[in-house]
Amino acid sequence: AQSVTQLDSHVSVSEGTPVLLRCNYSSSYSPSLFWYVQHPNKGLQLLLKYTSAATLVKGINGFEAEFKKSETSFHLTKPSAHMSDAAEYFCVVSDADSWGKLQFGAGTQVVVTP
Amino acid sequence: DGGITQSPKYLFRKEGQNVTLSCEQNLNHDAMYWYRQDPGQGLRLIYYSQIVNDFQKGDIAEGYSVSREKKESFPLTVTSAQKNPTAFYLCASSSRQPWNTEAFFGQGTRLTVV
Repeated sequence: AQSVTQLDSHVSVSEGTPVLLRCNYSSSYSPSLFWYVQHPNKGLQLLLKYTSAATLVKGINGFEAEFKKSETSFHLTKPSAHMSDAAEYFCVVSDADSWGKLQFGAGTQVVVTP
Repeated sequence: DGGITQSPKYLFRKEGQNVTLSCEQNLNHDAMYWYRQDPGQGLRLIYYSQIVNDFQKGDIAEGYSVSREKKESFPLTVTSAQKNPTAFYLCASSSRQPWNTEAFFGQGTRLTVV
């Protein structure tokens, strides 16, 4: 069985400061992990994914995430927030046991203040 | 342009009425999924299909039905048995193998009971 916990439901940052979104996962097999972003009333866009290659994954728009197996974490970071980063972010896990089904976290709402 | 098209964008349903949400993809993906999104609950899987003429219940299938007669299409019917259908519905598709391929999402349909 697989599960995902996003540790913060809301994160507020000032423009130009770092962003950290925390995600812990549980998986019976070697997982694949994803971060998606959703702007209001829109579909989800893939930011980045981890699939058992390099543990530090770089994505679009300056985001990156580090897979830490010992901590079962996949936290998302960005060194400098932009106003356009205001959105909801989802951490997602998939593994061989789930046949491609994605398990979503509850989401983290990011607010960026000027 | 390759992608997933959901229609309509907004849909209103009267009590006791069945409604069908459309999802079409031209990505040549084998797998397709329907998710329901409610505020603060992330995405929950309604139904998924790994191949034409086959589909499986997800976590919240009660009150919903689907068909998969063509690879490109995966319509979702919200029946009168679904007591609380007001939500944002997202369709997604992915390559069936390997399991670590990300899903691509449509722009969503917002369903409201009136």
